[in-house]
Amino acid sequence: KNQVEQSPQSLIILEGKNCTLQCNYTVSPFSNLRWYKQDTGRGPVSLTIMTFSENTKSNGRYTATLDADTKQSSLHITASQLSDSASYICVVSASDDMRFGAGTRLTVKP
Amino acid sequence: NAGVTQTPKFQVLKTGQSMTLQCAQDMNHEYMSWYRQDPGMGLRLIHYSVGAGITDQGEVPNGYNVSRSTTEDFPLRLLSAAPSQTSVYFCASSPSRAGAAFTGELFFGEGSRLTVL
Repeated sequence: KNQVEQSPQSLIILEGKNCTLQCNYTVSPFSNLRWYKQDTGRGPVSLTIMTFSENTKSNGRYTATLDADTKQSSLHITASQLSDSASYICVVSASDDMRFGAGTRLTVKP
Repeated sequence: NAGVTQTPKFQVLKTGQSMTLQCAQDMNHEYMSWYRQDPGMGLRLIHYSVGAGITDQGEVPNGYNVSRSTTEDFPLRLLSAAPSQTSVYFCASSPSRAGAAFTGELFFGEGSRLTVL
């Protein structure tokens, strides 16, 4: 069964600190993995996409990694800002399916 | 461009009532879809469309109908609302038309929060 699991469910960090969010999946055959950011009361917005051949991709302070062998991805946020407070959703696509993780709720405190 | 526009943002219904959630996009995307988001769960696909006149069921289609008469609009109809349909609903579109599979980015609306009493 195609599944996407994210950890932790929630995370609180101080402004300026780094953090890493995890995504494990069983979706097969793998096509791509996207990380979305969802601000409270808003729709998700894509941060980055990872394809099978990519190991690392950066988007400003966000760096996503992918290990296709272990079916794991991570999203690393550097020098967090208050505006990073949001839910981060991992979405994995197969050839005929797309699965959403439940998300990690990140709170950045001053 | 407005992107994906959903209306209404908030709605309260009584059990058994019907209603339509509206979704419109101005990006000329072929693919449109509806999701529901419940606490502690990932977004779940209700229905999707790969082009005007074509719709298909997603993971949780029961109790919902859709139609796609134009490229721009993709309304979601609740035929007889039930408390289990209390949720936040998101409409999304994508330029990718690879059936249910994706390489393209999903562009989401702001969501419609529905409460069924």
